[in-house]
Amino acid sequence: DTAVSQTPKYLVTQMGNDKSIKCEQNLGHDTMYWYKQDSKKFLKIMFSYNNKELIINETVPNRFSPKSPDKAHLNLHINSLELGDSAVYFCASSQGRAGHYEQYFGPGTRLTVT
Amino acid sequence: SQQGEEDPQALSIQEGENATMNCSYKTSINNLQWYRQNSGRGLVHLILIRSNEREKHSGRLRVTLDTSKKSSSLLITASRAADTASYFCATDADGSLVTQGGSEKLVFGKGTKLTVNP
Repeated sequence: DTAVSQTPKYLVTQMGNDKSIKCEQNLGHDTMYWYKQDSKKFLKIMFSYNNKELIINETVPNRFSPKSPDKAHLNLHINSLELGDSAVYFCASSQGRAGHYEQYFGPGTRLTVT
Repeated sequence: SQQGEEDPQALSIQEGENATMNCSYKTSINNLQWYRQNSGRGLVHLILIRSNEREKHSGRLRVTLDTSKKSSSLLITASRAADTASYFCATDADGSLVTQGGSEKLVFGKGTKLTVNP
């Protein structure tokens, strides 16, 4: 059984469109994250939720809006997509606070904006 | 801001050899973690080492931590072709005040790309 799943795996879209990426974890974890990995493999935290509450919101354009309907799900909606949004987006979860627990990552969603 | 820096950026070895990757960081930490990422996949947790620990083992992996030098190393012994991947260190602080109990986020380094040739 997949611990952290993301859909879709690939997303190709045009500039200006709006798209969503869904994430689900079946580990019973309290904390979920969204990361962005650029073309140079640099991985940066975007958002973190604990029990459906937003606890980290890095300097991310407000075109990106996370939503956590319950603690097993964390979705990412992106408005008005730009070329620079092209990257691989990873969802992750952990049992508790980031520094104390290992994180489990989803397989990633490769977003290509043309 | 970036906290960890892995060294080297790329490493190519023969199967059976040992691989050593290093990570340096800038500020005090509570914990340091190592992750592996196979091409086109998500990251997989390898080891978490706490600031009061100096060494930790897991199978063929050995992680050391030197808080006085703000550095950590990951040693993979008797490497296999399946170990080919990128390896990242991650710390729980990014230079801001580290509150008791640790930070709410991990800050990842740029990674070391390891190639193990059969």
